Amino acid sequence: EPEVTQTPSHQVTQMGQEVILRCVPISNHLYFYWYRQILGQKVEFLVSFYNNEISEKSEIFDDQFSVERPDGSNFTLKIRSTKLEDSAMYFCASSEFRATNEKLFFGSGTQLSVL
Amino acid sequence: GDSVTQMEGPVTLSEEAFLTINCTYTATGYPSLFWYVQYPGEGLQLLLKATKADDKGSNKGFEATYRKETTSFHLEKGSVQVSDSAVYFCALAQGGSEKLVFGKGMKLTVNP
Repeated sequence: EPEVTQTPSHQVTQMGQEVILRCVPISNHLYFYWYRQILGQKVEFLVSFYNNEISEKSEIFDDQFSVERPDGSNFTLKIRSTKLEDSAMYFCASSEFRATNEKLFFGSGTQLSVL
Repeated sequence: GDSVTQMEGPVTLSEEAFLTINCTYTATGYPSLFWYVQYPGEGLQLLLKATKADDKGSNKGFEATYRKETTSFHLEKGSVQVSDSAVYFCALAQGGSEKLVFGKGMKLTVNP
C-alpha cells in the first residue's frame, strides 16, 4: 500500500532556531495536513492545505509556522523560531478527497526535541 | 469546542481476551466518528468509521457503534491477538471543517 513518508524521524534543535519538517505525501493525493502530539496530550490539528494554499488552520498555527509544497511532491512545515513548547511528535497526513469524508493516510511522524 | 475523551491506558491483555476501549465525545450537531490505530513504527491509519447515529463501523474484527444518546463510540473486539498491540485513537470530524479532533490515544499490549 502507498505510504506517507516523513523525514527525519527525530530532530533535535536549539531554542530559537528554525526547523523544517519534511513529508512526501501519496502521489495522487490533493489534501495535506499537519498534526502534532505533545507527550501525554491529545493529537492536535495544525493546518490543512489544498490547491497550494492553507484551507484551515488552528489557533496553534501562528506566525511562527508556515507550510509549503515547494516542488509538487514534498510538503514541509517550517517553524521559524522554535520554543521549548514546540517539542512534540509532528504527523503529516494526506488524502485523495476531503479528509472528513475519506480516510487520512498518516506518516510515522517526526519527533522534534527543542533544547 | 468539540472534544474527545478516551479511557486512559496503557492496557495489557492476554491473547483471546475481550477488548473494550471507551470513547465519548462533546460536539454540536452530528459529527462523523473514527477510530485510528498506530502500530509500532508506523503512522496512524483508519481502523473504522461511522457517519451517523446508530451506524456500526467494523474492520479486522473490531466494531464500534455511533450512540447519539450517550455521545459514545466505544471500540470492541471479541478476541484480541498479539498483532493488535498498538495505540488506538478515537476522533471526530464536523462537516464543513477539514480537521479531525482526536483523543489522547490508548496503548494496548496483547501478550501471548
